[in-house]
Amino acid sequence: NAGVMQNPRHLVRRRGQEARLRCSPMKGHSHVYWYRQLPEEGLKFMVYLQKENIIDESGMPKERFSAEFPKEGPSILRIQQVVRGDSAAYFCASSPPGQGQPQHFGDGTRLSIL
Amino acid sequence: QKEVEQNSGPLSVPEGAIASLNCTYSDRGSQSFFWYRQYSGKSPELIMFIYSNGDKEDGRFTAQLNKASQYVSLLIRDSQPSDSATYLCAVKAGGGNKLTFGTGTQLKVEL
Repeated sequence: NAGVMQNPRHLVRRRGQEARLRCSPMKGHSHVYWYRQLPEEGLKFMVYLQKENIIDESGMPKERFSAEFPKEGPSILRIQQVVRGDSAAYFCASSPPGQGQPQHFGDGTRLSIL
Repeated sequence: QKEVEQNSGPLSVPEGAIASLNCTYSDRGSQSFFWYRQYSGKSPELIMFIYSNGDKEDGRFTAQLNKASQYVSLLIRDSQPSDSATYLCAVKAGGGNKLTFGTGTQLKVEL
């Protein structure tokens, strides 16, 4: 039973480029969450999605960041015009339907901005 | 005041001892509590979750919750060197599903 799948594992971008991070939830999980972990800092919630719906985006920066979870295919976290401060580990988690269900994390994407 | 607070450590315990990791939270409406283990450079791994006051045991791990004191803890019995990692406390407030994480406690189990 495959876990949460994220790709790529490592992504290098130059300032001003776009970064696309992908996440496929565990089988049977319909809820997807994105978190960011900056160096030497804790995990910070970014966005919570269900299929074709953004449920909570209270942690998303107001500009350059967007997320989607289409009817078909993985969830995508998109960062436009990346800056050095975007360098971080981006983790996706998924959970089954229902309140308070445990979230299981993928291996993350390490984003480095040159 | 941080929403979820943990002592950053490092907490050092000898092999075979009990490690006690603590976490306090500020939102009284919090309903679900989770402990994750994170090895350096790796992703968080779910260890335990607890919803009700009291103790919940799973193998060598026991989670303890006291909602009146807004306190949750994780006990690791018979600590092993492989338990050396950072332990993250995460809290879900009432309503919504996002987790708020503490900054983690680094545990070192010494031979």
